[in-house]
Amino acid sequence: TQLLEQSPQFLSIQEGENLTVYCNSSSVFSSLQWYRQEPGEGPVLLVTVVTGGEVKKLKRLTFQFGDARKDSSLHITAAQPGDTGLYLCAGGAPDSNYQLIWGAGTKLIIKP
Amino acid sequence: DTAVSQTPKYLVTQMGNDKSIKCEQNLGHDTMYWYKQDSKKFLKIMFSYNNKELIINETVPNRFSPKSPDKAHLNLHINSLELGDSAVYFCASSAALFGVLKTQYFGPGTRLLVL
Repeated sequence: TQLLEQSPQFLSIQEGENLTVYCNSSSVFSSLQWYRQEPGEGPVLLVTVVTGGEVKKLKRLTFQFGDARKDSSLHITAAQPGDTGLYLCAGGAPDSNYQLIWGAGTKLIIKP
Repeated sequence: DTAVSQTPKYLVTQMGNDKSIKCEQNLGHDTMYWYKQDSKKFLKIMFSYNNKELIINETVPNRFSPKSPDKAHLNLHINSLELGDSAVYFCASSAALFGVLKTQYFGPGTRLLVL
């Protein structure tokens, strides 16, 4: 069974600080997605990375896919209270045509 | 316009009852899913339908029965509800099953509480 482990599970920091959260696996993924889930809502896609070593930027968010396509990171610069939420990574397994493999998420709280 | 909608948003019921949750998507997608998110926020896939055909049926009690009357709808019926069924149930859809087109769009969730 392929697993995606996310760390840390929980992070609470002050507004303006930088942070990085991680999504790791011992297995290779064909693609990896990051979603953000706000309280009372469903997850919303932030980005998809497909190439080993790929870096994508979304305003203050920087996403990186590991060279070996086994891990990914999300870095937030100058965090704002609006970044608060549950960040989920989901991987597309090369040998699984049908479904995404989901991590358990990092709960992020940005205090004003 | 809501892309993926679910009803009801909240559902409180007694153990042993039968209940249904409805899901509709107006994105023109071929694939729809049901997920269960437990109290620890872990998303677990339950079912996936592609063009009204069941594709994924994870280890879920047979008290849970999905039904897809057409590509835009995927309903979930639960028989003989148990305390452990309490969770948030999310419906999602994607354009296709494969590759990056499997990007999933989620509904707002149905919060089920079994007393």
